[in-house]
Amino acid sequence: EVQLLESGGGLVQPGGSLRLSCAASGFTFSSYGMSWVRQAPGKGLEWVSAISSSGATTYYADSVKGRFTISRDNSKNTLYLQMNSLRAEDTAVYFCAKRENCGANCYPFDFWGQGTLVTVSS
Amino acid sequence: SSELTQDPAVSVALGQTVRITCQGDSLRSSYASWYQQKPGQAPLLVIYGENNRPSGIPDRFSGSNSGNTASLTITGAQAEDEADYYCNSRDSSGNPLYVFGCGTKVTVL
Repeated sequence: EVQLLESGGGLVQPGGSLRLSCAASGFTFSSYGMSWVRQAPGKGLEWVSAISSSGATTYYADSVKGRFTISRDNSKNTLYLQMNSLRAEDTAVYFCAKRENCGANCYPFDFWGQGTLVTVSS
Repeated sequence: SSELTQDPAVSVALGQTVRITCQGDSLRSSYASWYQQKPGQAPLLVIYGENNRPSGIPDRFSGSNSGNTASLTITGAQAEDEADYYCNSRDSSGNPLYVFGCGTKVTVL
């Protein structure tokens, strides 16, 4: 059974930092790209960042570029998101999601964690 | 930047059929994926690719893609289908890499 378990969320002051973790199990972690997706309170889903299966390639939304860093440790089956210079607008539930490989032009997120809440407030 | 447009809300009578649409340029080069999200829960993939359902998703859920439009159809809607539904795809420009629609609230009457 595929499981993704996020941790590391909490209350942080503006300008502060947090590191989120996502522990994966039930699949060959090193074979799949992964992403972080967030959802502000009462709002829709926003893709934040993605990383290739090897970790060699990373991608970021403009809203977090230069402040957030995605990484992974395939030996520990764990995905990370280092968040620096946090702003009030970063307040959201952060989900990690596994990207399925289903052929050309097909990019679904087939499994999601339960999410971890990040609150940026003074 | 690329956007995916969805109607904010639709309603459907119990047992009837509802179709949710998603429009955007990214859909010309990438299939839409559809997610169901109930309050306090993580999104759940219900349709992906040309018209594929993950294991455990009822066959009353189906999808279609044409040009810049993707659709999710629920045939014979059940009370448990009341939820928010989001479409998503990969953007050919790569910036952003992935995009989500704003979501459609489906109410089952």
